[in-house]
Amino acid sequence: DIQMTQSPSTLSAFVGDRVTITCRASQSIGTWLAWLQQKPGKAPKLLIYKASNLESGVPSRFSGRGSGTEFTLTIDSLQPDDFATYYCQQYNTYSTFGQGTKVEIK
Amino acid sequence: EVQLVESGGDLVQPGESLRLSCGASGFSFSNYWMGWVRQAPGKLQWVATINEGGRDKYYVDSVKGRFTISRDNARNSLYLQMNSLKGEDTALYYCARIRGNIQLFDNWGQGTLVTVSS
Repeated sequence: DIQMTQSPSTLSAFVGDRVTITCRASQSIGTWLAWLQQKPGKAPKLLIYKASNLESGVPSRFSGRGSGTEFTLTIDSLQPDDFATYYCQQYNTYSTFGQGTKVEIK
Repeated sequence: EVQLVESGGDLVQPGESLRLSCGASGFSFSNYWMGWVRQAPGKLQWVATINEGGRDKYYVDSVKGRFTISRDNARNSLYLQMNSLKGEDTALYYCARIRGNIQLFDNWGQGTLVTVSS
């Protein structure tokens, strides 16, 4: 099974900050990686697919990079609506998710 | 607008069975692969996937032989039959639409809660 490891587990930031979340795969997954956002009591929402492609309707302050085993999600100028938990997901071989990164207000 | 509405979650005892349903609307259901993903507190896990016609099915190892995914394209519905339930199956179960024939979940329902406890 491909394991996905995110860091950090929790991130505290101010509105307006630039934040970066890292996701590492236990083996190469090419660019078969997605990022999802989940708010309390809500279903996950697809933000980015194929490592760097922005899903329709997602603000351009979100961006993704990486290939192989290391990936990043960056949020430029963090907005109040962005405080949530973010998950990476590999879909190279079936699917596995990272453990999540909670972005909190500092 | 894509809508996925799950139902059937309940409190059951270990060893019992449960059938989850997911009603789909707002897209051509018969053209899409579909899947089930579950979430125990904070942890997401893919459970099962079915192709458009319902012939090809895939499962995470921990549910193989106990869970069966199926679909009725005439009713725009997806199902998950869960047998021999265990405590570790306790989770919120999401129905999700899959983009292409890869495990990219591009639309999710709101989930239905399954609790397995004596």
